[in-house]
Amino acid sequence: KNEVEQSPQNLTAQEGEFITINCSYSVGISALHWLQQHPGGGIVSLFMLSSGKKKHGRLIATINIQEKHSSLHITASHPRDSAVYICAVRSRGAAGNKLTFGGGTRVLVKP
Amino acid sequence: GAGVSQSPSNKVTEKGKDVELRCDPISGHTALYWYRQSLGQGLEFLIYFQGNSAPDKSGLPSDRFSAERTGGSVSTLTIQRTQQEDSAVYLCASSLDPAKETQYFGPGTRLLVL
Repeated sequence: KNEVEQSPQNLTAQEGEFITINCSYSVGISALHWLQQHPGGGIVSLFMLSSGKKKHGRLIATINIQEKHSSLHITASHPRDSAVYICAVRSRGAAGNKLTFGGGTRVLVKP
Repeated sequence: GAGVSQSPSNKVTEKGKDVELRCDPISGHTALYWYRQSLGQGLEFLIYFQGNSAPDKSGLPSDRFSAERTGGSVSTLTIQRTQQEDSAVYLCASSLDPAKETQYFGPGTRLLVL
């Protein structure tokens, strides 16, 4: 079993719909990252969080440390939100602060 | 300011040849990471540099892989005697303080071993 599991693997939505991507992890962590990767493009860090909730524009990330679960929500989705969204965790006390990555969720928003 | 840059952006090589990939982190960032993203696979950690500390090499897949960081800035990832399974996108990221700050990723080097 992977340390970081994301669901769904693929998601198709109509423009304007509310999107939720889930991430579950099995280790104690010090922080969780949500990353965005556009086709053929680089990776952009969206959020780094260790508790509670963060919001940036139409994106909201939440984390429940007790349940070892995080969600990324996209409100009023737009075709430009089409990308792969990756959850990554930094294990508590991890040497080097390295990240362990989920497999990604491929999101397609249709106009 | 300038972000993380990597060169070359694409590299095609023949099996058995050595390759060097370069990463220029954001100025002042003391932490530098190398990751690999193989086709159809997720991201995997390779190596981490933090200041003058010994690097964390725990993610390097074999002794054909090595990396160095000179002067606490530029880093090179070297793959010796490349194999076809080394074909992947190699990503570099840097951070000012990885315990508190996010990582900034470069555009990657796409390596194809024929």
